Amino acid sequence: DAKTTQPNSMESNEEEPVHLPCNHSTISGTDYIHWYRQLPSQGPEYVIHGLTSNVNNRMASLAIAEDRKSSTLILHRATLRDAAVYYCILRESNNAGNMLTFGGGTRLMVKP
Amino acid sequence: GAVVSQHPSWVICKSGTSVKIECRSLDFQATTMFWYRQFPKQSLMLMATSNEGSKATYEQGVEKDKFLINHASLTLSTLTVTSAHPEDSSFYICSASPGVSNQPQHFGDGTRLSIL
Repeated sequence: DAKTTQPNSMESNEEEPVHLPCNHSTISGTDYIHWYRQLPSQGPEYVIHGLTSNVNNRMASLAIAEDRKSSTLILHRATLRDAAVYYCILRESNNAGNMLTFGGGTRLMVKP
Repeated sequence: GAVVSQHPSWVICKSGTSVKIECRSLDFQATTMFWYRQFPKQSLMLMATSNEGSKATYEQGVEKDKFLINHASLTLSTLTVTSAHPEDSSFYICSASPGVSNQPQHFGDGTRLSIL
């Protein structure tokens, strides 16, 4: 599976936007970019995914670079409940097994 | 609401006990489910892929005789940790998706297993 690189941790102030970067320079043309987050003592939660175009949903926005070698998860207004580990994962579109390979993720800390 | 239910949420038991963890997909049928293990301050590690009606596929280094997986129906997979020892203490998490490529994975809330 193609690998992703994320900062180990980031800090944000409550009510401010947060930009979580992810590098995936070895991404293939059929890889989708998925983001999940894990709150303390819980299973991961799906956030968003995309292929080439930027994506928006009620939780976040995903900005994908034109060459697809990097992406950014955007939380428009961080809340204390957004404090979690955020995982950027590449997933093959033809992966019949649909498995996810988790890297280290970014631990987001939100300050009141 | 939760689309994947995992039970129990936590277990404390003595060394040598076998522990069964259930994972149910509530809103869809899942031919494939996944079992992960997570140690403190570490990421999730895939243990095995559970296939409905056939044998599970285990990742390298995971003992199939110790971690028994049964996927007898399209909505239920079970993981049994046999003869558990303190080193098996961990956070076990299951996931499932409707089976169509690129649909999100839905995760259970995890089972915290503590072996005394």
